[in-house]
Amino acid sequence: DIQMTQSPHSLSASLGETVSIECLASEGISNYLAWYQQKPGKSPQLLIYYASSLQDGVPSRFSGSGSGTQYSLKISNMQPEDEGVYYCQQGYKYPWTFGGGTKLELK
Amino acid sequence: QVKLLQSGAELVKPGASVKLSCKTSGFTFSTSYMSWLKQVPGPSIEWIGWIYAGDGGTNYNQKFKGKATLTVDKSSSTAYMDLSSLTSEDAAVYFCAKGLRKGFAYWGQGTLVTVSS
Repeated sequence: DIQMTQSPHSLSASLGETVSIECLASEGISNYLAWYQQKPGKSPQLLIYYASSLQDGVPSRFSGSGSGTQYSLKISNMQPEDEGVYYCQQGYKYPWTFGGGTKLELK
Repeated sequence: QVKLLQSGAELVKPGASVKLSCKTSGFTFSTSYMSWLKQVPGPSIEWIGWIYAGDGGTNYNQKFKGKATLTVDKSSSTAYMDLSSLTSEDAAVYFCAKGLRKGFAYWGQGTLVTVSS
């Protein structure tokens, strides 16, 4: 199985700050990388697909980049509603696998 | 709009089975791939498998073969997942979701399964 390793495990950011979350795949995944945000007691919400495509309705302060085995999610201008846990997920090879999550809090 | 409405929380005894449902609306169910996912506190998410509603074809995560069985009822646009021989390891929140390799754009609200005697 492809292992997805996220870093950091948790971080806190101030209002308006820019933050980045990294995701490292154990092998190349050809940009089949999605990012999700999950809030307590809720289902995950798709933010980014194919590594850098913004899902409809997602604010433009979210952006994704990367290739090969290394990917990142950038959140510009941190807002209170951006608190939550963020996951990466590869859809390149079965079984599809998720990273362990990054908890983002407002400082 | 797309909706995925899952069945309510389940309390089941060890060794028993449970059937979860995911009633959909707002899209063409018969040409859709429906996945099921497991989330345990930690938190971590695992993909269990998908079923193609058109012909009932399935693709399972090897880890869940023999544990989960996916089916659909096209007449009611509902996806189902049977979990068998439950143990404490199966206690989790289970989600249904719509999507394929580009990610899961639509999710159900989740069903909590508790395994206890």
